[in-house]
Amino acid sequence: AQSVTQLGSHVSVSEGALVLLRCNYSSSVPPYLFWYVQYPNQGLQLLLKYTSAATLVKGINGFEAEFKKSETSFHLTKPSAHMSDAAEYFCAVTRAGSYQLTFGKGTKLSVIP
Amino acid sequence: NAGVTQTPKFQVLKTGQSMTLQCAQDMNHNSMYWYRQDPGMGLRLIYYSASEGTTDKGEVPNGYNVSRLNKREFSLRLESAAPSQTSVYFCASNGAGVGYTFGSGTRLTVV
Repeated sequence: AQSVTQLGSHVSVSEGALVLLRCNYSSSVPPYLFWYVQYPNQGLQLLLKYTSAATLVKGINGFEAEFKKSETSFHLTKPSAHMSDAAEYFCAVTRAGSYQLTFGKGTKLSVIP
Repeated sequence: NAGVTQTPKFQVLKTGQSMTLQCAQDMNHNSMYWYRQDPGMGLRLIYYSASEGTTDKGEVPNGYNVSRLNKREFSLRLESAAPSQTSVYFCASNGAGVGYTFGSGTRLTVV
């Protein structure tokens, strides 16, 4: 079975500060990992994905994430937060050949002017 | 625009009523999914369809049924709605290796 743990249900950062959203996964086989963003009253939009190629993955809107097998982590970062980054972020895991994508419980990011 | 279309966007039901949530995708994806989103719970998989003609249970299937009508359409039915089914429902589709594409959701309230 696969699972994802997102540390911190709510994170606040100042505009211009580093954004770090934490995600740890559990998987008995090599995982595929995703980060999604959800703006209020909208669906989920794919930010980036890791599918066993480069361990540092760059996504949209300046976000990136690094796959660290030794730490079973896939943390999301952005060097400088913008007000428009305020949203809820979900980490998700699956594996090759699986039809099930398992989500974490989400982290709501607030950006303080 | 290409994507996943869900209808309706909002619905209020009385306990015991039935309804069907509709989902269609125009990306020629093989697999389709229904998730529910509840505060603090993330998204939980209700049912999925790996390909046209097949459906399988996910994490929380009780109280729901699904139909994969064709490659484009995947519907979710609540036969006898309960207040515990108050949630936001998302349909998604997936093409091999491209990641899941989500619809904009259906907000369902059961009173």
